[in-house]
Amino acid sequence: DAMVIQNPRYQVTQFGKPVTLSCSQTLNHNVMYWYQQKSSQAPKLLFHYYDKDFNNEADTPDNFQSRRPNTSFCFLDIRSPGLGDAAMYLCATSRDLTYRNYNEQFFGPGTRLTVL
Amino acid sequence: RKEVEQDPGPFNVPEGATVAFNCTYSNSASQSFFWYRQDCRKEPKLLMSVYSSGNEDGRFTAQLNRASQYISLLIRDSKLSDSATYLCVVTVNSGNTPLVFGKGTRLSVIA
Repeated sequence: DAMVIQNPRYQVTQFGKPVTLSCSQTLNHNVMYWYQQKSSQAPKLLFHYYDKDFNNEADTPDNFQSRRPNTSFCFLDIRSPGLGDAAMYLCATSRDLTYRNYNEQFFGPGTRLTVL
Repeated sequence: RKEVEQDPGPFNVPEGATVAFNCTYSNSASQSFFWYRQDCRKEPKLLMSVYSSGNEDGRFTAQLNRASQYISLLIRDSKLSDSATYLCVVTVNSGNTPLVFGKGTRLSVIA
């Protein structure tokens, strides 16, 4: 089945130790997103790629970076994780951005990040 | 005013009850509307898109009121398995404008 896959599902890192989360998709969608979600809060968009075009949200800290080496894969790099970065990180894809029904987002299962 | 606002709940309802959630949005140029469902510690999953004419899928009915800038979700004959958080999602279909999520409304259906 076509899907959005995230690895690992659970990640533990130390304060300040760089960590990379990965996302892959078999949907062949143009757009890939990274969200941060903390308990009882809405998913917060960090950035998205439309194909190779990177779009950073204005309030995303510089500590968060992303790479999309090809259509199928997208990575979230947290350069120096702080305690406040502990959260669920969700990857999502959509076929397009603006055309109705093509911007429906499909989410991966998430990576739960713990910072010690 | 927040872009997308929802009553966080929780809504505690007995099995078989009918329950309705509203969601208001601030951008009058918004054009696409969705309801997502999120179970505890799981990812959001699309429940239904919301069209201008309203749409129904089994026990679920979604309505859009552009004049008042709100969308609604009605759940009839609630099941225990409907217990989840329901996220209202809105987007403006122009340029690089991804979806904007509300914080969600939590529903607990009680036996």
